Amino acid sequence: KQEVTQIPAALSVPEGENLVLNCSFTDSAIYNLQWFRQDPGKGLTSLLLIQSSQREQTSGRLNASLDKSSGRSTLYIAASQPGDSATYLCVSSNTDKLIFGTGTRLQVFP
Amino acid sequence: DTAVSQTPKYLVTQMGNDKSIKCEQNLGHDTMYWYKQDSKKFLKIMFSYNNKELIINETVPNRFSPKSPDKAHLNLHINSLELGDSAVYFCASSQEAIQVAFFGQGTRLTVV
Repeated sequence: KQEVTQIPAALSVPEGENLVLNCSFTDSAIYNLQWFRQDPGKGLTSLLLIQSSQREQTSGRLNASLDKSSGRSTLYIAASQPGDSATYLCVSSNTDKLIFGTGTRLQVFP
Repeated sequence: DTAVSQTPKYLVTQMGNDKSIKCEQNLGHDTMYWYKQDSKKFLKIMFSYNNKELIINETVPNRFSPKSPDKAHLNLHINSLELGDSAVYFCASSQEAIQVAFFGQGTRLTVV
């Protein structure tokens, strides 16, 4: 059974820092892996989707990598801003299920 | 335009009542989901429908019954509500079961 774990559970950094959020999964037979951000009262927003055949995806200041053999994905946030404060979720797709990670709560202070 | 919309956003009700949460998506997606976010903020899938047919039914009490009148709607009906049903419920949709999912804003259910 797929389990998705995220480290750290919470992170507080000053504005401008480059960040790495980690995600590990136990079953490497995934179709794809997504990163979402969750804002209080605003639901979930998809950030990046990496297909199982891909190694990384980039969108603006965000870069997500995928290493299926080691069961890991990382989300890199460059030059963090207070508006990046949210909970970040790593989600794996296995067959027809979405398995959500435990989340990393990020706070970026000015 | 809201892609995935849920109503109501907040729902407070007494134990034993029956309530429904509605979900609609205007993205033309084939697959819709219901997720429950527990007290630890972890999202767990409850149901998944593809073209009005149930394809995932996780271990949830049979008091929970999804209804899909058409592929743009997936409603969640809950009978005999219990205190432990209090949570945030998210509806989502995707073009295919394994593609990017778009989520509604959630419905916070409080059972008193």
